[in-house]
Amino acid sequence: AQSVTQPDIHITVSEGASLELRCNYSYGATPYLFWYVQSPGQGLQLLLKYFSGDTLVQGIKGFEAEFKRSQSSFNLRKPSVHWSDAAEYFCAVGAFRNKLVFGAGTILRVKS
Amino acid sequence: DGGITQSPKYLFRKEGQNVTLSCEQNLNHDAMYWYRQDPGQGLRLIYYSQIVNDFQKGDIAEGYSVSREKKESFPLTVTSAQKNPTAFYLCASSSGTGTPNTEAFFGQGTRLTVV
Repeated sequence: AQSVTQPDIHITVSEGASLELRCNYSYGATPYLFWYVQSPGQGLQLLLKYFSGDTLVQGIKGFEAEFKRSQSSFNLRKPSVHWSDAAEYFCAVGAFRNKLVFGAGTILRVKS
Repeated sequence: DGGITQSPKYLFRKEGQNVTLSCEQNLNHDAMYWYRQDPGQGLRLIYYSQIVNDFQKGDIAEGYSVSREKKESFPLTVTSAQKNPTAFYLCASSSGTGTPNTEAFFGQGTRLTVV
């Protein structure tokens, strides 16, 4: 069965510092991978997605992610974090019938 | 503007009551989904529907029911059989019904609290 692991429950970074959020997936076939962001009490917004092709994908708000098949990973990165990036981030893998299997999420705190 | 509307934003339920959460989309999407979110557990799939008048159970369907009488609407009923209904509920839709390569769009959520 498909599964997604986000090893870090909380991460705190200083404003202006770089960010990497980890995501590992388990999926038997070619994975369809997503990163979503959620502000408190809100719905989820898509940051980026990987289906095929270039393993480095660019998303909104300056985020990027790199797909590494050998490591079953899809880590999210940002070169310089802004205070407005504080939120919860979810990695997900697409399953049959467009169901999404989510990781437990990583809460990002940004300190000034 | 196209999107997904969930209502109400906050909902309070007494023990033993059934409550219905509304989800409406004007994106002309075929597929709709209900997820439950609890702190530290991510999102778990309750029910999903690929087409009108058809729906399937997700991973945690016990104590919930749905209907899909119209393409635009996918209401979720939390029944008295759901023993721990306090959670944040998210509705989503997507255009694809086959391969999982289309993104899902989410509503703003409904926070249900048992009082």
